[in-house]
Amino acid sequence: KAGVTQTPRYLIKTRGQQVTLSCSPISGHRSVSWYQQTPGQGLQFLFEYFSETQRNKGNFPGRFSGRQFSNSRSEMNVSTLELGDSALYLCASSLGGRTGNTIYFGEGSWLTVV
Amino acid sequence: AQTVTQSQPEMSVQEAETVTLSCTYDTSENNYYLFWYKQPPSRQMILVIRQEAYKQQNATENRFSVNFQKAAKSFSLKISDSQLGDTAMYFCAFMTTPEASGSARQLTFGSGTQLTVLP
Repeated sequence: KAGVTQTPRYLIKTRGQQVTLSCSPISGHRSVSWYQQTPGQGLQFLFEYFSETQRNKGNFPGRFSGRQFSNSRSEMNVSTLELGDSALYLCASSLGGRTGNTIYFGEGSWLTVV
Repeated sequence: AQTVTQSQPEMSVQEAETVTLSCTYDTSENNYYLFWYKQPPSRQMILVIRQEAYKQQNATENRFSVNFQKAAKSFSLKISDSQLGDTAMYFCAFMTTPEASGSARQLTFGSGTQLTVLP
């Protein structure tokens, strides 16, 4: 069974640009969540999607957005990139619903903003 | 809001020895989930072990076991027979139950403990 797949794995963007990261969850998983990892702030929750609906959102500015498709695949978008957005972005999936309380992570997308 | 504290930024252990990583958390909830994840240099976040708060029995997965002290809000990880491949950053994480969160899934992480296994 394939794990959580994230693309691209590495990317470099310029300040002011926007970026889209993609995540394919484990087959059968309907919940997809995103985390940002930086040396200074550690691991912070961005948002979670379940059945194409955002179910929960962390404390990030509106420049960070996401969506989920009917096949549970998810994308997150960061607009007007800032240097501080440089981070490892981790996608995670779980079954969702009232069961499936274990969350599995992908390998992450490394974003560098220059 | 829940908080998770890992007070040991770095630890080291000799190969084949046993090491314990500490984690404390703060919550007003009675039921919840606790996890330990490891993040090796590849940065892949790998689930090590999980504990459900309503279960009094400590979880065990092969060489990994936890000491869950609910009243003290403590959740330590013991690694027995340490191996070189155990070298990684270890994160303790907390999650509310679906019943309390409206089914939302959100992990709150500690700051991590960098464990180095020495040959």
